[in-house]
Amino acid sequence: QSALTQPRSVSGSPGQSVTISCTGTSSDVGGYNYVSWYRQHPGKAPKVVIYDVTERPSGVPDRFSGSKSGNTASLTISGLQAEDEADYYCCSYAGNSLIFGGGTKLTVL
Amino acid sequence: EVQLVESGGGLVQPGGSLRLSCTASGFTFSSFRMHWVRQAPGKGLVWVSLINSDGSNTNYADSVKGRFTISRDNAKNTLYLQMNTLRAEDTGVYFCTRDYLGLGYWGQGTLVSVSS
Repeated sequence: QSALTQPRSVSGSPGQSVTISCTGTSSDVGGYNYVSWYRQHPGKAPKVVIYDVTERPSGVPDRFSGSKSGNTASLTISGLQAEDEADYYCCSYAGNSLIFGGGTKLTVL
Repeated sequence: EVQLVESGGGLVQPGGSLRLSCTASGFTFSSFRMHWVRQAPGKGLVWVSLINSDGSNTNYADSVKGRFTISRDNAKNTLYLQMNTLRAEDTGVYFCTRDYLGLGYWGQGTLVSVSS
């Protein structure tokens, strides 16, 4: 049950786009279309921004998009805003369990 | 409005026990699979355990298997996590979360500190 692999940090200027990768194995990310992404501000509970690889919950702006290729999923945030500065976690179903990524700190320059 | 409210956290000595509760409101609790997720101070999210809607299926992370027990009382709209033989590495904030459209709703968490 090793964590999914995410970059520890990414950064971008307001208005730019950033992509966060999430690499697992064929037993988790590659084996199921159940990858989700969460944004967490300091001291707050996580909030889902993408589920089932590409789906956006109601209320999440279309600046957030998800994709997957093989064992790697990706979250892209376009039109960066100051409020996007947070920690981001991927999560995959892994056969009657879940596995999270180690988290990526997004800095808006 | 969907709400999940955790309680039961606190300071406990190594080897001790705690029971966490998560009280749900604003939705039909008995229809949803639920999870516990924890976060050590300054660290990332780690999945701990799941339970299906009627309690017939449960699973645990290897790190807590044999020490933690997840359960639910659908009549009381409450999820539980019984934690035994606690270790220092179990320290962190424990969140309960509802499994629908991803982990769509989270509580605010309850802090568990294991220290002598």
